[in-house]
Amino acid sequence: GEDVEQSLFLSVREGDSSVINCTYTDSSSTYLYWYKQEPGAGLQLLTYIFSNMDMKQDQRLTVLLNKKDKHLSLRIADTQTGDSAIYFCAERTGGYQKVTFGTGTKLQVIP
Amino acid sequence: NAGVMQNPRHLVRRRGQEARLRCSPMKGHSHVYWYRQLPEEGLKFMVYLQKENIIDESGMPKERFSAEFPKEGPSILRIQQVVRGDSAAYFCASSPSDNSPLHFGNGTRLTVT
Repeated sequence: GEDVEQSLFLSVREGDSSVINCTYTDSSSTYLYWYKQEPGAGLQLLTYIFSNMDMKQDQRLTVLLNKKDKHLSLRIADTQTGDSAIYFCAERTGGYQKVTFGTGTKLQVIP
Repeated sequence: NAGVMQNPRHLVRRRGQEARLRCSPMKGHSHVYWYRQLPEEGLKFMVYLQKENIIDESGMPKERFSAEFPKEGPSILRIQQVVRGDSAAYFCASSPSDNSPLHFGNGTRLTVT
């Protein structure tokens, strides 16, 4: 079955790197996604990785995938106050390819 | 190219009334997903639809909830006889195919009084 877990809260100082972790259980995942949600808004796609990749870099964002351990991480370099938000990881699984979301990690950036 | 459009943004209903939430997917997207987010919680999958077909409704409560995505017009999530526990933000997302990323609307915040 699908189960996606994240830690609930992360606090970092402005300028430091943030690492948000996610674990999933379904080994049939095809794509894994990272979304950002600001207060009162919908979810914004940040980046995604195909399950046969180990790493993907996109400007300040680095995604690492350890398929053996079913572990996904998102690293944000030089974290800014505008990065404060809730970050969700999600996996696409199943014959009908539905997308299951984690519980979300609230990132607080301290100036 | 307009994004995913949801309306209304806010909806207030009394217990026992019906709630209708609308979602217009992005142009060219034929796959629609509905999710529910309770306060301080993550997103819970409800239903996945393609034009005129329900593909996966494993997250939908068996009673009072229904969804459709007709050949013409928006997708509709319908909640009959609402109860206080239905108060939540309901998000719609769309994608052009079954392995593309989801694009989300800004949600409908339902309050049941």
